[in-house]
Amino acid sequence: GQQVMQIPQYQHVQEGEDFTTYCNSSTTLSNIQWYKQRPGGHPVFLIQLVKSGEVKKQKRLTFQFGEAKKNSSLHITATQTTDVGTYFCAATSGTYKYIFGTGTRLKVLA
Amino acid sequence: NAGVTQTPKFQVLKTGQSMTLQCAQDMNHNSMYWYRQDPGMGLRLIYYSASEGTTDKGEVPNGYNVSRLNKREFSLRLESAAPSQTSVYFCASRGQGRTQNLFFGSGTQLSVL
Repeated sequence: GQQVMQIPQYQHVQEGEDFTTYCNSSTTLSNIQWYKQRPGGHPVFLIQLVKSGEVKKQKRLTFQFGEAKKNSSLHITATQTTDVGTYFCAATSGTYKYIFGTGTRLKVLA
Repeated sequence: NAGVTQTPKFQVLKTGQSMTLQCAQDMNHNSMYWYRQDPGMGLRLIYYSASEGTTDKGEVPNGYNVSRLNKREFSLRLESAAPSQTSVYFCASRGQGRTQNLFFGSGTQLSVL
């Protein structure tokens, strides 16, 4: 079945440093979604990318979809303690199945 | 407007016991999902229901059954719980807007001893 690999698994950064997580698929994706899960919480939708090479920004967060639509990245500029959590990418398999990456757990040290 | 509601929030079972996790959404969504989350494994799809009256297996369906009771409710049943089913379980429903993203419930932490 479709697999989505995400790296790194963990990342510890000093507050103010940048952070990037990467999502890779062996197959071409129709779209990719990103979610954030705060510690003890549930995943919350952040954004969806659909077009090849698409770049979207949400304040300090920048999301990219690769030209071949097989990879994606989430970059956070100047991390803050509020960015702590686990970031997941998710790809649709068929019409209804959503396959999640393994997630990157971000810890921000003040 | 509560979104996706899951019950119970916590549950401890003994091996071999059965239980049903309940999930309801009030957003009039057609599709609903059950995921389990284990450390280092991300979210793995157990079962999903594309619409009322249909259910399909996901990545890890063994040991589980589901029922789409009506459009609002989608339950997950463990007939004979095993320690390997210790996990956090999330129910989700799929929005019907342009992005069709998932809305998650707050989760059920299940321990099987």
